[in-house]
Amino acid sequence: GQQLNQSPQSMFIQEGEDVSMNCTSSSIFNTWLWYKQDPGEGPVLLIALYKAGELTSNGRLTAQFGITRKDSFLNISASIPSDVGIYFCAGKNTNAGKSTFGDGTTLTVKP
Amino acid sequence: DVKVTQSSRYLVKRTGEKVFLECVQDMDHENMFWYRQDPGLGLRLIYFSYDVKMKEKGDIPEGYSVSREKKERFSLILESASTNQTSMYLCASHRNYGYTFGSGTRLTVV
Repeated sequence: GQQLNQSPQSMFIQEGEDVSMNCTSSSIFNTWLWYKQDPGEGPVLLIALYKAGELTSNGRLTAQFGITRKDSFLNISASIPSDVGIYFCAGKNTNAGKSTFGDGTTLTVKP
Repeated sequence: DVKVTQSSRYLVKRTGEKVFLECVQDMDHENMFWYRQDPGLGLRLIYFSYDVKMKEKGDIPEGYSVSREKKERFSLILESASTNQTSMYLCASHRNYGYTFGSGTRLTVV
């Protein structure tokens, strides 16, 4: 099946720092999504991107849909302790919803 | 607010047992999914369903089956549980945008 390479695998940062993570694919997606998973919970959708080159913000989060449609990145500005969790990228090609997920980036924020 | 409910947060089962994981959504979504989550492997799709009584295999269906008798309920069945099925299982439903996930069931097979 399709493979998504997400990096970095983990990050340890100080509160207030900016964070950047990315996702690359061997094939094209029509939609890129970013989810966050808090400890002990299911992932929650943060941002959805529908168009190549699109840049979308949600508060301190900014994500971009790569122009080749094979990559996406997520930036978090001015990190805070509640940003801790696992961030997943996902790509999909149909409205029916079947998504392929990356392996996740585990973020730790030190106060 | 939309909701996906998984019946158990934690389960411990014995090798060889038949295990049922239940998932219910209250959003009238057609599409429902079962994933398993393992450290370093991300989320892997087991089975999904686009409508009642319809099912399709995902990337890792071996050892699992599913049932969708009603639109709101999607059950994952481990026919004969094995230790390599110890994992976190996540159910999700979908309409137009991204998934809404349940809180997960952490299954341990001993």
